[in-house]
Parts: sequence; structure tokens; C-alpha cells
Amino acid sequence: KAGVTQTPRYLIKTRGQQVTLSCSPISGHRSVSWYQQTPGQGLQFLFEYFSETQRNKGNFPGRFSGRQFSNSRSEMNVSTLELGDSALYLCASSFFGGSYEQYFGPGTRLTVT
Amino acid sequence: TQLLEQSPQFLSIQEGENLTVYCNSSSVFSSLQWYRQEPGEGPVLLVTVVTGGEVKKLKRLTFQFGDARKDSSLHITAAQPGDTGLYLCAGHPSGTYKYIFGTGTRLKVLA
Repeated sequence: KAGVTQTPRYLIKTRGQQVTLSCSPISGHRSVSWYQQTPGQGLQFLFEYFSETQRNKGNFPGRFSGRQFSNSRSEMNVSTLELGDSALYLCASSFFGGSYEQYFGPGTRLTVT
Repeated sequence: TQLLEQSPQFLSIQEGENLTVYCNSSSVFSSLQWYRQEPGEGPVLLVTVVTGGEVKKLKRLTFQFGDARKDSSLHITAAQPGDTGLYLCAGHPSGTYKYIFGTGTRLKVLA
């Protein structure tokens, strides 16, 4: 069974631009969660989608948004990028809807200059 | 605020030594997972513990879930350089949809 895939793996953007990251979950998994990981803040929860509905949201500004498609693939978007948005963005899929075990993709390393 | 506190935060040991990592909370968890993450990669699931008092073994790694389901520990016997990484506990507090991660323990095993 194929794992969670994320594209792109690396991205360099300029402050003020916007970016879209993509995540394909494990086949059969209906929940996709997104996390931001930085050395200083650790792993921080962004949001979770289950059957195309956002079920949970972390404490991030409205510049961070996401969506899930009918095939469970998910995208997250960050608008008006700031230097502090530089991080590893991780996507995880789960069969039970964000609870229990999560299976992570390799992440997208975003650098904002 | 529901938190999962891990200790120690950093650990540097010699190959062959034993170590224990702790994961503590004031909240009850339906289950707890342990992950290991290597630099630049996503966390990889190691184990899930569900029942209070449960002990699970994965080769040289022993995981325990506290009787009250508020804490967990990871014990590594005879650590090897391949055990180096960031260890994260995570779980689903009972009665919520949230899934939260611990603060992490960065382990370095020296050859």
C-alpha cells in the first residue's frame, strides 16, 4: 500500500507570495491533518479534514487555509507569506478521522526569503 | 490546555547504554502513540498503546501506558546509533477530536 505523498518536497518563496502544498493520503484513509514543524515551536497542529469537512483547527492566522477533495487528497494554502512561515509542513492521514494512529508524509520544506 | 510533556528534552548517550523517555499529561488519553522522526522526514509510527498498564515490546524498545492512561514511557535497551532521532508521543485526549503531540525528546546515540 502506497504511503502518504506530499508535493513539492522543497519550496522557496518570497515574502508576500502565496503557496499551495499538496497531500495524497494512504488509500482508504479519509482524514488528513496538517502540521507545521519548526525548531523552536515543535510540531504544531494546523487543521484536520475528514470527508471534505474541516473538523479541527489549530491556532494559526487566517492566512493558513486548506481543503479536501472527494478523493481525500488535500491541499493547504498560505497567503501573504512571512519569514516566520519557513518550516517543514507535514501531512498525516488516518483511517479513524484524526484520532489514533497517524501516518505521515515526508513533508514539504518551505523557505521564505 | 491539554499538554503532553516529555522528558528529558535532550539525551546524548553511548552505544550500549539503556535509557527511558517519559511522556506525561494531566489529561486522560484514549490511546497514545510513539513516533520517531529523523531530520527532514516525517514522523514514523512505532507503536500504539490503548489499555491502562499495557506494555508493548518492539525489539529493544519497551513501551508502557500508565494505569490511569495519563502517562507513558519508552525504554530502549542497549541503544544503537540507529536509534538516534526525535521521539514524539502523541494522543487523543478522551472526549475530544484533538490529536496532540508531545514536546519531543531528541536522542543521540554515539558509537
